Amino acid sequence: DTGVSQNPRHKITKRGQNVTFRCDPISEHNRLYWYRQTLGQGPEFLTYFQNEAQLEKSRLLSDRFSAERPKGSFSTLEIQRTEQGDSAMYLCASSLPDRANYEQYFGPGTRLTVT
Amino acid sequence: AQSVTQPDIHITVSEGASLELRCNYSYGATPYLFWYVQSPGQGLQLLLKYFSGDTLVQGIKGFEAEFKRSQSSFNLRKPSVHWSDAAEYFCAVGRSGNTGKLIFGQGTTLQVKP
Repeated sequence: DTGVSQNPRHKITKRGQNVTFRCDPISEHNRLYWYRQTLGQGPEFLTYFQNEAQLEKSRLLSDRFSAERPKGSFSTLEIQRTEQGDSAMYLCASSLPDRANYEQYFGPGTRLTVT
Repeated sequence: AQSVTQPDIHITVSEGASLELRCNYSYGATPYLFWYVQSPGQGLQLLLKYFSGDTLVQGIKGFEAEFKRSQSSFNLRKPSVHWSDAAEYFCAVGRSGNTGKLIFGQGTTLQVKP
């Protein structure tokens, strides 16, 4: 169990550019979540996958955001035409699917800075 | 709508003193409740969780929390704080059912004085 990994750890981009983040969950976890955390706030839910199916998306996830999990393993989160308001920490978490194991294990996050 | 309130944004305690971090939730059914800790540059680490049963739950690093349904609270406690406990603490409520997504509070920053 190597934990949840995220790449890159830091990303600085100019406004209007596209960025893509990757998350590798714990291998036996088939649920994967994306959250966004801004300074001084708790994480906010963005979206979640069970295997390769994206089952829920937050209203926070505008049309510029897209997430995929093509083979039910790693996931990517893409932000198109970045805006300064997108600057945040993007956290990925994974969990087992059954009710007895709802705890989510978080990765270290990707910190995005849009200049 | 579900929500979590952590009334204390910042708390300072002396090393060796006891600690209590407050968490209040709003939820229509029996919630799943969690406390996470986040150190600078680190991801969130689960301290403890409550799903059902005994309302006093024990976690890692000597932390415990008590679920009080009548007060809609899930306060985190530690009898003796260590300098390494300085971090940000988040309370979260999970939704029963299929999603499992978490709603987090704003967080409480704990500073430990030597």
